Amino acid sequence: ETGVTQSPTHLIKTRGQQVTLRCSSQSGHNTVSWYQQALGQGPQFIFQYYREEENGRGNFPPRFSGLQFPNYSSELNVNALELDDSALYLCASSFRPGGSYEQYFGPGTRLTVT
Amino acid sequence: DQQVKQNSPSLSVQEGRISILNCDYTNSMFDYFLWYKKYPAEGPTFLISISSIKDKNEDGRFTVFLNKSAKHLSLHIVPSQPGDSAVYFCAASERNFNKFYFGSGTKLNVKP
Repeated sequence: ETGVTQSPTHLIKTRGQQVTLRCSSQSGHNTVSWYQQALGQGPQFIFQYYREEENGRGNFPPRFSGLQFPNYSSELNVNALELDDSALYLCASSFRPGGSYEQYFGPGTRLTVT
Repeated sequence: DQQVKQNSPSLSVQEGRISILNCDYTNSMFDYFLWYKKYPAEGPTFLISISSIKDKNEDGRFTVFLNKSAKHLSLHIVPSQPGDSAVYFCAASERNFNKFYFGSGTKLNVKP
């Protein structure tokens, strides 16, 4: 069974640019959530996708967008990057409907915006 | 507005003793609570969960207690081991499970 993988591991972008981060869900999982974790803080929920539809969204502006593909892999796109977007971006997969809804996290992508 | 709070940034415990990590929440609609453990350079790993219909859930050395009236939950680790040294996050969700709120984490150090 393959775990959650994310690419790239690290990324450096310039303010104003656009970035795409990728996530492969754990085998059999149909739901993916994306989180932003700033240094010294807990993960902040960005949005969740279930069967290719956005299923829930946190307090992030529309320049944060996502996609989930038929194979349940996912992308996070961020437009017009700002310095405050520098963070660790985590994706987490889970299976719905399910008994416990725990999520399985990938190792994250470290984004630095200069 | 942070709906899940972990007010202790760090905790140091002697090996073999009990570790108690605390978490408070403000949203009375939260229905499901989870604890995650995170090692450096890795994503959080699920540890244990509890539904709001229970007040205790136990899994080996880990027990989570939920006090709904106080909007407080705690994670007990007994006995603590050096390998338990990590950052622990509590998280909460409403019944729809389409949004999860995390605390800021508590760094646990278990001394040999």
